[in-house]
Amino acid sequence: DVVMTQTPPSLSVAIGQSVSISCKSSQSLVHSDGKTYLNWLLQNPGQSPKRLIYQVSNLGSGVPDRFSGTGSEKDFTLKISRVEAEDLGVYHCVQATHVPYTFGAGTKLELK
Amino acid sequence: EVQLVESGGGLVQPGRSLKLSCAASGFTFSNYYMAWVRQAPTKGLEWVASITNSGGSTYYRDSVKGRFTISRDNAKSTLYLQMDSLRSEDTATYYCTRALGYWGQGVMVTVSS
Repeated sequence: DVVMTQTPPSLSVAIGQSVSISCKSSQSLVHSDGKTYLNWLLQNPGQSPKRLIYQVSNLGSGVPDRFSGTGSEKDFTLKISRVEAEDLGVYHCVQATHVPYTFGAGTKLELK
Repeated sequence: EVQLVESGGGLVQPGRSLKLSCAASGFTFSNYYMAWVRQAPTKGLEWVASITNSGGSTYYRDSVKGRFTISRDNAKSTLYLQMDSLRSEDTATYYCTRALGYWGQGVMVTVSS
C-alpha cells in the first residue's frame, strides 16, 4: 500500500498568518493516464470532510483562492495564505492513484 | 447542489450484518465512481471500497474483502454497502463520497455485544 506521510501533525496559527502542510508518498502518484490523483481535504470540527484541492493543484468548487496546492511525483504541499477562523480543523491528503486509496494521518490547524 | 445522504447505521452485534445506503442527488449519478470511506472514533480516514460508474468493477481494502459488498442502483441514484460478519474494528462513521470529491454527512456504525 502507498504510505502517505503528512507533516506537521499539528499547527498553531494566528488569523492572517500563512501556513504550509506537506504530504509525501512512498510511491509516485502519477497514474498510467498521466494524471496525478492527490487531493487535499478539510474536516472542520464535527463535520464531514470537504475537498479543497484535486489533482494536486486544482481548486475545488467554491473553495477560496487562499488555498493552493503544488507538487509532483511523491512530494506535495498545501499552502493556506491569510488563515481565517473557518479554516480551523483537520487537513488530510489522500491519494487515489493506487488501490487501496490511502490518506495521510492529518494535520490539525488550531488558533494560537 | 450535490447531496449525499447516508442511512442504515446503528448498533449491531459482532458477526451480524448491516446495509448502508447513500441517496445521491444534484448530479448525474451514473457518470461517477463512488466510494465508501470510514473514520473510527478519534482516528483518521480509511478508504473502504469503490465502484465504477457502471457498477462493473468494484475494489475493496483487504480487511473487508469477502465481508463487505459495494453496489449501486443507477436508476435510483443510490449507493449501497452490505456489511456482513461485522467485527468490533469495523466501528466507525461511514461516509459516502463521489470520487473523494463530495462527501455525505456520515452514518455511525457501532459493532458491540
